[in-house]
Amino acid sequence: AQSVAQPEDQVNVAEGNPLTVKCTYSVSGNPYLFWYVQYPNRGLQFLLKYITGDNLVKGSYGFEAEFNKSQTSFHLKKPSALVSDSALYFCAVSRRSGDDKIIFGKGTRLHILP
Amino acid sequence: DTAVSQTPKYLVTQMGNDKSIKCEQNLGHDTMYWYKQDSKKFLKIMFSYNNKELIINETVPNRFSPKSPDKAHLNLHINSLELGDSAVYFCASSQMGLYGYTFGSGTRLTVV
Repeated sequence: AQSVAQPEDQVNVAEGNPLTVKCTYSVSGNPYLFWYVQYPNRGLQFLLKYITGDNLVKGSYGFEAEFNKSQTSFHLKKPSALVSDSALYFCAVSRRSGDDKIIFGKGTRLHILP
Repeated sequence: DTAVSQTPKYLVTQMGNDKSIKCEQNLGHDTMYWYKQDSKKFLKIMFSYNNKELIINETVPNRFSPKSPDKAHLNLHINSLELGDSAVYFCASSQMGLYGYTFGSGTRLTVV
């Protein structure tokens, strides 16, 4: 069965500084990996995905993530944080074969301090 | 145009009642899902339908019954509501799951 770990409940970053939100995964075979963001009282919005190819994936709002197969990680990054990036971020994984069920991590709350 | 729309947005009801949440997608996707987000924001898949056929049925009480009249609609009916059913329920759709999901804005269910 696949699983996702987001080791940090909350990450605080000063505006303008680089940010990293950590994610590790466990899945049999090769994974599909995703990042979603949830703003207060809103649904989840898709940020980016890794399916195959280049390990560095670029997504919406200047975010990017790096797939590291040996460390089974897919950390979310942004070079310069904005206050508007403050939200709840979910990492997710699904298997490449079988059903397309996506399993979500428990979420990491990102606070960007002005 | 809203890609995945859920109704109602808020639902407050008493224990023991039966209620339904509706979901519609206009993306032409072939697969639809229901997720439950609890008070700690943890997201758990409940059901998935592909072209009106149930393909994922997680460990969910049988008081919860999904119904898909066509591939653009997936409704969730809940019988004999309990306090523990209070949560935000999200509908989502995808095209074979390859490109991630598109989520609705959620239905906040409060059972009193």
